[in-house]
Amino acid sequence: DAGVIQSPRHEVTEMGQEVTLRCKPISGHNSLFWYRQTMMRGLELLIYFNNNVPIDDSGMPEDRFSAKMPNASFSTLKIQPSEPRDSAVYFCASSFWGARYTEAFFGQGTRLTVV
Amino acid sequence: AQSVTQLDSHVSVSEGTPVLLRCNYSSSYSPSLFWYVQHPNKGLQLLLKYTSAATLVKGINGFEAEFKKSETSFHLTKPSAHMSDAAEYFCVVRGGNTGTASKLTFGTGTRLQVTL
Repeated sequence: DAGVIQSPRHEVTEMGQEVTLRCKPISGHNSLFWYRQTMMRGLELLIYFNNNVPIDDSGMPEDRFSAKMPNASFSTLKIQPSEPRDSAVYFCASSFWGARYTEAFFGQGTRLTVV
Repeated sequence: AQSVTQLDSHVSVSEGTPVLLRCNYSSSYSPSLFWYVQHPNKGLQLLLKYTSAATLVKGINGFEAEFKKSETSFHLTKPSAHMSDAAEYFCVVRGGNTGTASKLTFGTGTRLQVTL
């Protein structure tokens, strides 16, 4: 398996534009996580899904952020409109939940810069 | 609710000396515990995980961690630091009631610096 695949790896956009980050989890995994990492705030959980259903989105900063998981093999994180303070590295991770000790596998991240 | 506290935000050691990165956890249920490492401008890689089979867990690159339920700790150690160990280390807890059982909770991270 190729692991968790995120695209794009880098994104530079202007303030006010819509940004869509994409994630393909590892086949067979049924949990998916979106994290944001900044120097100031560290690693923050934005939202996670179990079996394609959002379980906890309390980490989503505001209504400008939305996430979907239309099927088991694809998820998106959308920011509309984007702002400079959204600049960060966004990580997607997946795991299998059913066995208690299963670790999460992380993608390489998307580095977002909003100018 | 579950939480994890990494007691040191920054640790500096000399190459060849032991490493100790401290982690305390809180969980209402028997937790799963993990250590991840992140090298600069890289993603997160699993170092080791606690599976309840043994309280002393061995991971990659010579790292190990000991689960101590009485102390609610899961400290990460390595007998001899190498320059390539310089990175950010995250302690992670997973576990809870049915609704939140799959949630991963990260500590704030410990930056390990290794000097010559």
